[in-house]
Amino acid sequence: GESVGLHLPTLSVQEGDNSIINCAYSNSASDYFIWYKQESGKGPQFIIDIRSNMDKRQGQRVTVLLNKTVKHLSLQIAATQPGDSAVYFCAETHNAGNMLTFGGGTRLMVKP
Amino acid sequence: DVKVTQSSRYLVKRTGEKVFLECVQDMDHENMFWYRQDPGLGLRLIYFSYDVKMKEKGDIPEGYSVSREKKERFSLILESASTNQTSMYLCASHDGQTGGTEAFFGQGTRLTVV
Repeated sequence: GESVGLHLPTLSVQEGDNSIINCAYSNSASDYFIWYKQESGKGPQFIIDIRSNMDKRQGQRVTVLLNKTVKHLSLQIAATQPGDSAVYFCAETHNAGNMLTFGGGTRLMVKP
Repeated sequence: DVKVTQSSRYLVKRTGEKVFLECVQDMDHENMFWYRQDPGLGLRLIYFSYDVKMKEKGDIPEGYSVSREKKERFSLILESASTNQTSMYLCASHDGQTGGTEAFFGQGTRLTVV
């Protein structure tokens, strides 16, 4: 059932360190896995996606790793900056553009 | 620059009121979505639409309905608002023609039902 006020997992990192945000998924049939970033007071923003037939994809300062054996997805942020402070959501979809199923989110806090 | 606009940033409504949340996108996207966001639960899909006058139920459609009379506009309706519908509501759109996974979100409407 719904629980208002559930505690959001938080990751606290030092500015300049690398961050790793993890996500477990359940649907083996998902074709795509996506990471979104949500800054305070804004809607989620697309960061990077990975197709299910890949195990790694790199973007600018970000890398997504997919382990289908254990149904695990991670987002690595290199040289974390204060502007990276946000809530990060993983999402999965069966077809590109079809409805997204989101995880609960992880709050990333960057200490100066 | 792509834009999804939700008509209200904050709303306070009374229990039993009929509530309309409006969303407009200027990208000519086919697909539009309504999510609600609650702490620790992520975003949960209420309804989505892949064309004008078409709608599909998401994971939590109970207590909600939607309307898509024009391609650019997708409305979420709370027929009789209840306190457990107090939440952040997010609208999103997606280009169903070109594919890809990127959905564009509005800034959200924080609804409080008292």
